[in-house]
Amino acid sequence: GIQVEQSPPDLILQEGANSTLRCNFSDSVNNLQWFHQNPWGQLINLFYIPSGTKQNGRLSATTVATERYSLLYISSSQTTDSGVYFCAVPNSGYSTLTFGKGTMLLVSP
Amino acid sequence: DAGVTQSPTHLIKTRGQQVTLRCSPISGHKSVSWYQQVLGQGPQFIFQYYEKEERGRGNFPDRFSARQFPNYSSELNVNALLLGDSALYLCASSPKITGPLFFGSGTQLSVL
Repeated sequence: GIQVEQSPPDLILQEGANSTLRCNFSDSVNNLQWFHQNPWGQLINLFYIPSGTKQNGRLSATTVATERYSLLYISSSQTTDSGVYFCAVPNSGYSTLTFGKGTMLLVSP
Repeated sequence: DAGVTQSPTHLIKTRGQQVTLRCSPISGHKSVSWYQQVLGQGPQFIFQYYEKEERGRGNFPDRFSARQFPNYSSELNVNALLLGDSALYLCASSPKITGPLFFGSGTQLSVL
């Protein structure tokens, strides 16, 4: 099946700093999702981004499907951004998703 | 509108017991999927149901089963529980068989 690799595995930032999280995938995909898992376990949708760039406030994402990677940008980070960020891509054309292992982000005040 | 709701939120069972987890999708969503997340890992796909039919199954033993009801809610059953079944079980819904998934808060299962 498709492989998904995320980097870095861990990231510590000071509040106000910017960061870039990367997601590489081993096969062509027709969509990709980014999630934020908060400390209570809730997976929150950030982006559904098959290709191109999307922005939502301080967060933006870019997927380059032809080169099999996606980037999540977090600007002016806040302590509430802490948690684990997952990217996920579909398996076999359905909406079943294969997840990466995540990037754990800690934003300190 | 309510999001995906799951019950119970927490559950403690002993080895060998059976457990049933429940999920109600977002109104209008016809696809429900189940995922297992163990500590430190990303969620792993267990089942997908669409229009009450199984449309996908992950690499899990036959002790795991699921079904979807006419109102599109779903149950996940796990028989003969093992210590290794301890995990966060996540339910997700989507309007169609493909497209973005929306997750519930999960059921934390502990097997002692």
